[in-house]
Amino acid sequence: QSALTQPASVSGSPGQSITISCTGTSSDVGSYNLVSWYQQHPGKVPKLMIYEGRKRPSGVSNRFSGSKSGNTASLTISGLQAEDEADYYCCSYAGNILYVFGTGTKVTVL
Amino acid sequence: EVQLVESGGGLVQPGRSLRLSCAASGFTFDDYAMHWVRQAPGKGLEWVSGISWNSATIDYADSVKGRFTISRDNAKKSLYLKMNSLRVEDSALYFCAKDTGRLPYYMDVWGKGTMVTVSS
Repeated sequence: QSALTQPASVSGSPGQSITISCTGTSSDVGSYNLVSWYQQHPGKVPKLMIYEGRKRPSGVSNRFSGSKSGNTASLTISGLQAEDEADYYCCSYAGNILYVFGTGTKVTVL
Repeated sequence: EVQLVESGGGLVQPGRSLRLSCAASGFTFDDYAMHWVRQAPGKGLEWVSGISWNSATIDYADSVKGRFTISRDNAKKSLYLKMNSLRVEDSALYFCAKDTGRLPYYMDVWGKGTMVTVSS
């Protein structure tokens, strides 16, 4: 049960696109199409942004997109906006009823 | 409105026990798996434990296995976490989270959390 690996920080200017990687193993990310992504602003509850790797919940901007290749999932934020500045966590189902989270990425809008 | 409200947190000495509760409303509680997730101050999210809709499937993070016990009472629409032999490193904000099915898919609704501080 090792945490999924994410970059500690990613930054971009308004309007740019950024991508956050999430690297796991063949026991979690690589085995299931059940990667989700959460956005968390300081002092707030995590908010679901992407589920099943690439699907967006109702109300989430289409500037957020997800993908997966092998043991690595990715979250891309297009047209970066000031309100996107937050911490982002990936999460993968890992069998039985177990989940594993990523180490978290702080997104800074320059 | 779907809502999860955690309670039971507080300050406790190392080695002691605490029981967290999560009251659910606004959805058919026994249709969904449920989870506990924690976040130490200034740190990332850590999945702690999960339980299927009928309590038949339960799992724990290695860091709490053997010390924490998850349970649910579908009649009371409540989720619980009994925490024994607490350690300083268990200090965190504990969130209750709802899954999207009877078995795990992803967590879509979270409570606001209850803070647990383990300190002498």
